[in-house]
Amino acid sequence: QVQLQESGPGLVKPSQTLSLTCTVSGGSISSGGYYWSWIRQHPGKGLEWIGYIYYSGSTYYNPSLKSRVTISVDTSKNQFSLKLSSVTAADTAVYYCARDLGIGELLYGYWGQGTLVTVSS
Amino acid sequence: EIVMTQSPATLSVSPGERATLSCRASQSVSSNLAWYQQKPGQAPRLLIYGASTRATGIPARFSGSGSGTEFTLTISSLQSEDFAVYYCQQYNNWPTFTFGPGTKVDIK
Repeated sequence: QVQLQESGPGLVKPSQTLSLTCTVSGGSISSGGYYWSWIRQHPGKGLEWIGYIYYSGSTYYNPSLKSRVTISVDTSKNQFSLKLSSVTAADTAVYYCARDLGIGELLYGYWGQGTLVTVSS
Repeated sequence: EIVMTQSPATLSVSPGERATLSCRASQSVSSNLAWYQQKPGQAPRLLIYGASTRATGIPARFSGSGSGTEFTLTISSLQSEDFAVYYCQQYNNWPTFTFGPGTKVDIK
């Protein structure tokens, strides 16, 4: 059973870059056919897709965040990462990493527990 | 962008009663619609995909229906563990997807 765990700073200053890592266990991130994603949830609000990376290295980002987002993979560590630049208070949220079901659709059956990132000086 | 709306925002139901949640898409998403359940402090859990297919391990009291722009999630007999927020998600608009704002099911 694949498991995901987010890690990274819980507090980031405005205008800086938010950096999070998702460590995957129970399966290889380089095995084929999966979409490794970041999804966030503003406090008390709904879910917002940030972007994802396919096992081949292709990335897709939410158009509303595209100019500030980079998602990358480190297969040697079985991790994938999120960088979000020029953050503001509006980026305060719980950030989840997630993996799809593996049936070729963007359906998320595996999630990390989530990590709260607060943007504040 | 396909915009998802859900109604009602909050649904108050007694244990053992039936709950019916609605989700609407701003344009057709065919049957590419999923439902997730989220409890406080937890990550979302996939319940239904393909509008009506239960994910692995999901009890039969959860059922989904609909196609195009109108979808329904029905919980036939609410159990205490079912009180949560439910989100719909469209995944028809490859390579993007969007979630609805959620419906909170609470105890009446």
